[in-house]
Amino acid sequence: DQQVKQNSPSLSVQEGRISILNCDYTNSMFDYFLWYKKYPAEGPTFLISISSIKDKNEDGRFTVFLNKSAKHLSLHIVPSQPGDSAVYFCAASGGGGTSYGKLTFGQGTILTVHP
Amino acid sequence: ETGVTQTPRHLVMGMTNKKSLKCEQHLGHNAMYWYKQSAKKPLELMFVYSLEERVENNSVPSRFSPECPNSSHLFLHLHTLQPEDSALYLCASSPTHMVGGYGYTFGSGTRLTVV
Repeated sequence: DQQVKQNSPSLSVQEGRISILNCDYTNSMFDYFLWYKKYPAEGPTFLISISSIKDKNEDGRFTVFLNKSAKHLSLHIVPSQPGDSAVYFCAASGGGGTSYGKLTFGQGTILTVHP
Repeated sequence: ETGVTQTPRHLVMGMTNKKSLKCEQHLGHNAMYWYKQSAKKPLELMFVYSLEERVENNSVPSRFSPECPNSSHLFLHLHTLQPEDSALYLCASSPTHMVGGYGYTFGSGTRLTVV
């Protein structure tokens, strides 16, 4: 049972435009949601997170929105730059049960930003 | 060196071999993790260590054996693996096992191929 899902395997955007990456989850006990970015041959790097008690968190060009009633979050990148081209993973922490130290990840979305 | 360092970066092994993956973190973190990333699948948690004690084993087969001799080093010992174990193995660390909104710092991973 996959508790965190990224239903779009890929997204292509023009430089300067907005990139919107989406993520859905099923476990209402998650307490934080995080976004990671991964370049080829490198490990994922932390981008931004949001607490489950908030609905928005902003850091420079990156904004994460959380809609708890819909169990949906999204990452907005404005403006998009070619260097943003990478795989983006959504992750969630907490979740109850045997969730000791655990992050639950989505499958990832490949973002390509064209010059 | 800073961050989380994994060696080797690439490993090819036969099904009867024994090998070890090494992870070292220079961040003063107290929790370390092994994750597996197979093609087209989300990152899967394998093991969690907090203060050198294994606190979670996420139903991983016994052919994978972790070892954490101190809070800076983590090993994954491999023996009699199967071709389906071929994947990217990622090590990560966090200040404590309470991941919250800070997430992990990942290493670059070891790309393992079992032949």
